[in-house]
Amino acid sequence: DGGITQSPKYLFRKEGQNVTLSCEQNLNHDAMYWYRQDPGQGLRLIYYSQIVNDFQKGDIAEGYSVSREKKESFPLTVTSAQKNPTAFYLCASSTRGPPYEQYFGPGTRLTVT
Amino acid sequence: RKEVEQDPGPFNVPEGATVAFNCTYSNSASQSFFWYRQDCRKEPKLLMSVYSSGNEDGRFTAQLNRASQYISLLIRDSKLSDSATYLCVVKAAGNKLTFGGGTRVLVKP
Repeated sequence: DGGITQSPKYLFRKEGQNVTLSCEQNLNHDAMYWYRQDPGQGLRLIYYSQIVNDFQKGDIAEGYSVSREKKESFPLTVTSAQKNPTAFYLCASSTRGPPYEQYFGPGTRLTVT
Repeated sequence: RKEVEQDPGPFNVPEGATVAFNCTYSNSASQSFFWYRQDCRKEPKLLMSVYSSGNEDGRFTAQLNRASQYISLLIRDSKLSDSATYLCVVKAAGNKLTFGGGTRVLVKP
């Protein structure tokens, strides 16, 4: 059963702690993405990777870091430098070429207090 | 100006009625266009791609107007289950997609 998994579904952390969100896909997609969604808002791109061992900053990369050591995995670390980390985090993947449609995992809701 | 703009709604639609809404984009070099559906507290799911000639998928019709830089989505014979937020998505160069803020649709009995 092909798809994207994200874990955990809910995550609670204290301010000042780094936290890593997991994203795994078995769709054989080259490209993977991390988005952040705040209540009532659209999706904003944090980081993306088009190939293993390569990634680029999106529109709101400050306070976040990623790695892409395997094609299937694209973990996101929310560091203590991120000023407003509480949000809904969505991971997506796509082929590198057409049709460019992105498919999403179920998301992780992070709450930092 | 935002790259992709949508009327946030909500559009309150009687069950069985037709509803249509647009999305405007600012980058004239945009190449690909999509509509995604997002249910409350869930991930977005691809509803349909939007082709230059317009396309239909069951009760859903999408159209692209490159001259005026907008895409539209029309839902016929609305069902209660169509209640969701509809996200307009645009691709320019590269693999990056830009998402609109979404249009909320509420179908009522």
